[in-house]
Amino acid sequence: AQSVTQPDIHITVSEGASLELRCNYSYGATPYLFWYVQSPGQGLQLLLKYFSGDTLVQGIKGFEAEFKRSQSSFNLRKPSVHWSDAAEYFCAVGVDYGGATNKLIFGTGTLLAVQP
Amino acid sequence: DVKVTQSSRYLVKRTGEKVFLECVQDMDHENMFWYRQDPGLGLRLIYFSYDVKMKEKGDIPEGYSVSREKKERFSLILESASTNQTSMYLCASNPLEGPYYEQYFGPGTRLTVT
Repeated sequence: AQSVTQPDIHITVSEGASLELRCNYSYGATPYLFWYVQSPGQGLQLLLKYFSGDTLVQGIKGFEAEFKRSQSSFNLRKPSVHWSDAAEYFCAVGVDYGGATNKLIFGTGTLLAVQP
Repeated sequence: DVKVTQSSRYLVKRTGEKVFLECVQDMDHENMFWYRQDPGLGLRLIYFSYDVKMKEKGDIPEGYSVSREKKERFSLILESASTNQTSMYLCASNPLEGPYYEQYFGPGTRLTVT
C-alpha cells in the first residue's frame, strides 16, 4: 500500500542552524514527491516537487530536497533556518487513481519550532 | 496564479445541524478534493471529484457527502454534524493533466461543533 512516513513529529532548531526533515515513502511506481508548508492558521503552500531528473531539487524560501530511490527517501533541508520558517511541514507522494485521475498521500507532518 | 477560496475561515455549529462548506477554484481545474486535518494525523482525504456531478470516496467518507454541480465549485456537506467532526477542512484542486499531481490548496475552514 502507498504510504508516507515522517518520523519526526516535532523538531526544534535554533535560528541560523541547519535543518533536515525526514520523509520516507512507499510506492511501487516512479514517485512524484512533494513538500508543502503550512503556517499557523493557513492553507498548504508548495515548497518543492520532484518528478524526474536531477535528484536534488530546489524550492522556494531557500529549501531543497534530495530524492534517494535506494532509501525511498525525500528529505527536506535548509542550510540556515529563519524564525519565519516555524510552521508545519508535510511530505506527500502523488499516486494514480484510475485513468488520468490522481491524488496525494500525505505524511502526518513535522512541526518545526525555531528558537531565537 | 491559481486561487482556491473557501467560504468561511471559522465556523461554529451545533450538534445535529446540517453544515455546508463551499470551495471555489478559478483555474478551470477538473479535479477537486476535500481533506480533513487533525493534529498527529496529517491530511486525510474525505472525497474528491474529477468532473461535474462525479465523486469518489476518499479514505474517511463516513458522515460526509459532497456536491459538484459546477466545475468551479465543490461543496462538502455534513448531514448531521457531530462533535467528532470538529476539525480543519482543506479544499484543493488540480488539473487532469499536469503538472503531475500537484494540488493547490485553499486557506482552510476551522469547524467547531458544539
